[in-house]
Amino acid sequence: EVQLVESGGGLVQPGRSLKLSCLASGFTFSNYGMNWIRQAPGKGLEWVASISSSSSYIYYADTVKGRFTISRDNAKNTLYLQMTSLRSEDTALYYCARFEYYDGYYFDYWGQGVMVTVSS
Amino acid sequence: QITLTQQAESLWVSPGEKVSITCRASQSLLYTDGKHYLSWYQQRPGQTTKALIYHASIRTDGVPTRFIGSGSGTEFTLSIEDVQPEDIALYYCLQTLKKPNTFGAGTKLELK
Repeated sequence: EVQLVESGGGLVQPGRSLKLSCLASGFTFSNYGMNWIRQAPGKGLEWVASISSSSSYIYYADTVKGRFTISRDNAKNTLYLQMTSLRSEDTALYYCARFEYYDGYYFDYWGQGVMVTVSS
Repeated sequence: QITLTQQAESLWVSPGEKVSITCRASQSLLYTDGKHYLSWYQQRPGQTTKALIYHASIRTDGVPTRFIGSGSGTEFTLSIEDVQPEDIALYYCLQTLKKPNTFGAGTKLELK
């Protein structure tokens, strides 16, 4: 069974940093691209960043470019999101999602999400 | 970037009815391989976000046949026939044709 479990969220002051993790299981992690998607309270979904299976291709939303860094450790089956210079508008539930590249080009499995609150 | 517009914020439906959720893209989502890079997702409280449809019309594994994806070019529809109580949820469309990938604003399906 595919499972994605996010961790590392919490309350952080504006301007500070936080690192999220997503532990994957139930599939060969190194074969799949991965994504971070967020959802501000009461709002819709916003794609944040993506990384290819071997980390060769990385993309960011303009809203986080230069502040967030997506990375992965295939030996640990873990996806990361390093967030710096956090702003109040980064407050959201952050999801990791697997990218089904081979058949469909969509986000086929999602985690439950981890909450990040940026406030003084 | 490609904008996806889901005009209806909310739709009210009774069990057994049919409902259609529309998603309009600011440019064609048809790629040179002949496929549309548009997918649909369901969000229910307490559950992980579920992928329902990809390539505009292909159901993912285990999705009931009452969920039907259709459309082409820039206009897409998710139809739910014989709505069940468990279908009450938020529905989002997503384009993966170009980066940044973009979602529609979402449509909330509510019981009359």
